[in-house]
Amino acid sequence: GESVGLHLPTLSVQEGDNSIINCAYSNSASDYFIWYKQESGKGPQFIIDIRSNMDKRQGQRVTVLLNKTVKHLSLQIAATQPGDSAVYFCAENRVNRDDKIIFGKGTRLHILP
Amino acid sequence: DAGVTQSPTHLIKTRGQQVTLRCSPKSGHDTVSWYQQALGQGPQFIFQYYEEEERQRGNFPDRFSGHQFPNYSSELNVNALLLGDSALYLCASSPGSLEAFFGQGTRLTVV
Repeated sequence: GESVGLHLPTLSVQEGDNSIINCAYSNSASDYFIWYKQESGKGPQFIIDIRSNMDKRQGQRVTVLLNKTVKHLSLQIAATQPGDSAVYFCAENRVNRDDKIIFGKGTRLHILP
Repeated sequence: DAGVTQSPTHLIKTRGQQVTLRCSPKSGHDTVSWYQQALGQGPQFIFQYYEEEERQRGNFPDRFSGHQFPNYSSELNVNALLLGDSALYLCASSPGSLEAFFGQGTRLTVV
């Protein structure tokens, strides 16, 4: 069915450490994935995306890994900062089918001082 | 570029009333999508507008309707409000490509 889910609802990370947020998806036909960051009282903010023909993509301090064999993707944040505190959503955009973004429930990232 | 703007930011309505939420897309974007985000949940797709037509619709009742204007701005209308309609309503725009930009949302409270 249509679902993009996250393994853990809350993640606490020491400031300066790396954060890894995981996500599982159920539809093997999915072809585009996005990570969004949502701070309190704000709309989701695009972080990074990856197409299904790739297994890794890097941005500034962030890396997304896609494992199509086990239908899993992860977001790695290097040197986590207090400003990284937010809820992170993985989402699936089914391009060339109906273009709607399907969101998972989200993982709240807490940064410990 | 102001990005995606939504109005109002907050709204309180009574059960049974009707509400209209507005969205101005990012400059150059012709596709507008609406999402409902309940507290502690991920956004749920309501519908998408392109060329003034509803192109896709999620699992929402007919009480939820929308419109897109020639300047690509959009409205979301909800009739016969229920307590369960209380949520953050998000508008997202895109230029027809994959990346969607979200507005800050309208927080609707139904009492």
